[in-house]
Amino acid sequence: EVQLVESGGGLVQPGGSLRLSCAASGFTFSSYAMSWVRQAPGKGLEWVSAISGSGGSTYYADSVKGRFTISRDNSKNTLYLQMNSLRAEDTAVYYCAKDSPRYCTNGVCYTGGFDYWGQGTLVTVSS
Amino acid sequence: EIVLTQSPATLSLSPGERATLSCRASQSVSSYLAWYQQKPGQAPRLLIYDASNRATGIPARFSGSGSGTDFTLTISSLEPEDFAVYYCQQRSNWPGTFGQGTRLEIK
Repeated sequence: EVQLVESGGGLVQPGGSLRLSCAASGFTFSSYAMSWVRQAPGKGLEWVSAISGSGGSTYYADSVKGRFTISRDNSKNTLYLQMNSLRAEDTAVYYCAKDSPRYCTNGVCYTGGFDYWGQGTLVTVSS
Repeated sequence: EIVLTQSPATLSLSPGERATLSCRASQSVSSYLAWYQQKPGQAPRLLIYDASNRATGIPARFSGSGSGTDFTLTISSLEPEDFAVYYCQQRSNWPGTFGQGTRLEIK
């Protein structure tokens, strides 16, 4: 059974830092890209950052570029999000999500979606 | 950046009725669009991928259609557990941005 368990959320002052973790189990972690998706209170979903299975490629939303760093330790089956220079607008529930494999066969390509999600961890940025 | 616009923002229907939710992209995303369902206090759940493929364990009353810029999620006959918020996500520019959501509420 696939499981994703986030931790590390909490209350932090503006300008502060926090590191989120996502412990994965039930699948070959290193074979799949992973993402962080956040949801501000009462708002919709916002993709934040993604990392390839090997960790060699990383991607960021413009809203967090230069402040957040995504990484993974495939030996520990764990995904991380280092969040620096936090702002009030970063207040949200942060979810980690496993990405589906993307592939093409018989001339048709498939891109899947985020097929498994963690339960989320709340980050509150406030003085 | 590809912008997804979902409509309506809120849809009020009764159990047993048919629900039709729309997602429009600011530029073509081919068939690379996913749909998610989110209930209060829960993580999102993947319903449909690549516009029309049901994810594992998703009931047949959920179906997706469309290509290019216009997509539709249809729930053929609403069950009480279907009342939730639904999001589309484009997967053309990986990993993909989300629409703002449609709230499906009980009338």
